[in-house]
Amino acid sequence: GENVEQHPSTLSVQEGDSAVIKCTYSDSASNYFPWYKQELGKRPQLIIDIRSNVGEKKDQRIAVTLNKTAKHFSLHITETQPEDSAVYFCAVGSGGSGNTGKLIFGQGTTLQVKP
Amino acid sequence: EAGVTQSPTHLIKTRGQQATLRCSPISGHTSVYWYQQALGLGLQFLLWYDEGEERNRGNFPPRFSGRQFPNYSSELNVNALELEDSALYLCASSTYTRETQYFGPGTRLLVL
Repeated sequence: GENVEQHPSTLSVQEGDSAVIKCTYSDSASNYFPWYKQELGKRPQLIIDIRSNVGEKKDQRIAVTLNKTAKHFSLHITETQPEDSAVYFCAVGSGGSGNTGKLIFGQGTTLQVKP
Repeated sequence: EAGVTQSPTHLIKTRGQQATLRCSPISGHTSVYWYQQALGLGLQFLLWYDEGEERNRGNFPPRFSGRQFPNYSSELNVNALELEDSALYLCASSTYTRETQYFGPGTRLLVL
């Protein structure tokens, strides 16, 4: 069945260091890959997303890379700041003509950025 | 532009009762999605509504149901509540043609 594995479950870095979170998925029909940030007690917020026709996307300190052949994608945060501390979720969807509406989420990574 | 809104913020029920949760999408969005986030777990897809129709549902029993109104707002009903239904219920919205989902703040349901 559909499955998304996310690693690591917790990640602690020093301010200014980089953080990398990885996800693998099982459904080869998946073509939409968003990342959400959820601070304690708040709603998940979309921080970046990528579609299967693109291998990499960057937005300031955040980047996502996608390897469709290997079925994995990663979130890269550079120059981390204490306000980056949160739980990060990857998700996988099937958009376009085969849109199921369903996002399958990873289990989340708790990122702690130490000042 | 107002984001997705949900009500109530918190809801306390006892086992066997029914719960009704409400969601208003971003203006211009026709699709509404419901997810369950149990403590310490990821988000689990519940339901997708668009243009008043149920388009897809996740692996949840039939006592989880809902509807979408002509103004695109939606409600989620959970019948015969069980203790394990205690969770944060998140609503998201999007346009039909785009996959990007924007989340509301959630309703925290506690079943005693």
